[in-house]
Amino acid sequence: DGGITQSPKYLFRKEGQNVTLSCEQNLNHDAMYWYRQDPGQGLRLIYYSQIVNDFQKGDIAEGYSVSREKKESFPLTVTSAQKNPTAFYLCASSIGLAGMGGEQFFGPGTRLTVL
Amino acid sequence: SQKIEQNSEALNIQEGKTATLTCNYTNYSPAYLQWYRQDPGRGPVFLLLIRENEKEKRKERLKVTFDTTLKQSLFHITASQPADSATYLCAPGVGSARQLTFGSGTQLTVLP
Repeated sequence: DGGITQSPKYLFRKEGQNVTLSCEQNLNHDAMYWYRQDPGQGLRLIYYSQIVNDFQKGDIAEGYSVSREKKESFPLTVTSAQKNPTAFYLCASSIGLAGMGGEQFFGPGTRLTVL
Repeated sequence: SQKIEQNSEALNIQEGKTATLTCNYTNYSPAYLQWYRQDPGRGPVFLLLIRENEKEKRKERLKVTFDTTLKQSLFHITASQPADSATYLCAPGVGSARQLTFGSGTQLTVLP
């Protein structure tokens, strides 16, 4: 089955620790995205990537980092510099970037809690 | 700055009625608008896309309209069912944009 997976589903982190969230897709999509969702709020874009070895900051990139070494994978690292990291993190992919109008396919999300 | 507003955070309707959700945008000239459904604790799922040259789009019990003069999209669910209860997100898209911006969503509850 084609799809997009995220792991783990739940993640707990102590303050001051970096943590990496996994995102894998087998849809052969070029574009991938990371969003953050807080209770009662919409999705806010953290980073996006149009192609391997290229990625761009979104609206709230501070305290986060990404890599795109393979087309299928787009891991997100939440660093200790992120002041309020507790949130629901969603990864998505699409055939092309937003301007083309293609739908985005979302993973099941990772809920990160900082203790 | 670009702004997206979705009507009241929560909407409750009776089963069998038509639910109408609103998406208003300002400082925007979107070339298209997408609607997604999100269930609690899950990722959003794409429902419909409507382009600026389309007035209306239908898919089964769903209907979307796009009024570029009013800067508004309406999302209708006819013959609503409790299973339609979810949060619905709108996402206007600009043709030249490299990213999509989402509204905060409307939480719909269909009461049996």
